[in-house]
Amino acid sequence: KAGVTQTPRYLIKTRGQQVTLSCSPISGHRSVSWYQQTPGQGLQFLFEYFSETQRNKGNFPGRFSGRQFSNSRSEMNVSTLELGDSALYLCASSLSQGAYGYTFGSGTRLTVV
Amino acid sequence: GESVGLHLPTLSVQEGDNSIINCAYSNSASDYFIWYKQESGKGPQFIIDIRSNMDKRQGQRVTVLLNKTVKHLSLQIAATQPGDSAVYFCAENQKSGYSTLTFGKGTMLLVSP
Repeated sequence: KAGVTQTPRYLIKTRGQQVTLSCSPISGHRSVSWYQQTPGQGLQFLFEYFSETQRNKGNFPGRFSGRQFSNSRSEMNVSTLELGDSALYLCASSLSQGAYGYTFGSGTRLTVV
Repeated sequence: GESVGLHLPTLSVQEGDNSIINCAYSNSASDYFIWYKQESGKGPQFIIDIRSNMDKRQGQRVTVLLNKTVKHLSLQIAATQPGDSAVYFCAENQKSGYSTLTFGKGTMLLVSP
């Protein structure tokens, strides 16, 4: 059974650019959540999607957005990149609503220069 | 891979020792708790979980204890091995029915041969 797949694994972008990250959940999992991980702030919740609907959103500016497709795959977008957006972006999936059975991907390492 | 955290509390043990990692959680209404292990360059990996209606749960070489009175979780690792060296996070599900976790800051476990 394939795990949570995140692409790309590494990304380098310039300030002011935008970026799109992708997450394919475990087959059958319908809930996808995104987290940002930095050395200073640790793991912080970005958004949660279930059945193509955003159910919950963390305390991040509007430059951070996401969506979920009918096949449960999810993307997150960050516009007008800032140096402080450099982080490991992690996606997690679970079978249904609720955190039981939560599984993380390996993340996308974004570096903004 | 890059470090997942700087200036984390660190627990250094000898191979074969038992390790105890502690975590204070924030919300008395949280109903589900998870311990994750994260190695450098990887996403968090599930270790063990516990629901709020339990005080203790055991897995293979790991035990989680939950003290709701003082909002405290602990992870006990028996016969610690060098492969256990990683950063350990506790996480709480503050909103039942939502796939959103709030993470602790993490503890780095270093196991010497």
